[in-house]
Amino acid sequence: DTGVSQNPRHKITKRGQNVTFRCDPISEHNRLYWYRQTLGQGPEFLTYFQNEAQLEKSRLLSDRFSAERPKGSFSTLEIQRTEQGDSAMYLCASSADAAFNQPQHFGDGTRLSIL
Amino acid sequence: AQKITQTQPGMFVQEKEAVTLDCTYDTSDPSYGLFWYKQPSSGEMIFLIYQGSYDQQNATEGRYSLNFQKARKSANLVISASQLGDSAMYFCAMREGQESYQLTFGKGTKLSVIP
Repeated sequence: DTGVSQNPRHKITKRGQNVTFRCDPISEHNRLYWYRQTLGQGPEFLTYFQNEAQLEKSRLLSDRFSAERPKGSFSTLEIQRTEQGDSAMYLCASSADAAFNQPQHFGDGTRLSIL
Repeated sequence: AQKITQTQPGMFVQEKEAVTLDCTYDTSDPSYGLFWYKQPSSGEMIFLIYQGSYDQQNATEGRYSLNFQKARKSANLVISASQLGDSAMYFCAMREGQESYQLTFGKGTKLSVIP
């Protein structure tokens, strides 16, 4: 039973470049979430997918951010024209169904550093 | 107003002793769920325990239990018989309402277990 997988683990890029992260959820999970965590803070919600449909988006998700889950399996998060403030850990999580008591299971995250 | 408040930035506990980590929450929705996660220095978020707003009993999972006081809007995590491996950040999170799936996290408490 593999957990949530995120790639790459670390990404260093120059300001202004585009970056893309990938998340593979637990195989039977149809719900997928993206969060961002900055140093000393708890994770902040970015967006949520049920299968391939993007159902919730935070106001944190500016127009430079786009997320997709084209076939309802893996998801990608792209940040265009990166800024210093985008430096953070990007966490992906998945869950099995909509029941309140279903926890979200997190991956190890992708740490983004903007030079 | 903060949705989730964790007032203890850091806590110390002697090995084998019990420790309580505080969490208060703010919501007007009668349906909500409260989750506790552990984040070791390696970065992964590990689900520990869940408490639903309609649950009559306090949740327990092994050495973890939740002291749920609904009227006071608090959901404190109790770790019994602390072990060195319990040293980590601990986050309280809330899911509010039937229509939203996002988790709102507190800022966390750093627990250090002393041998």
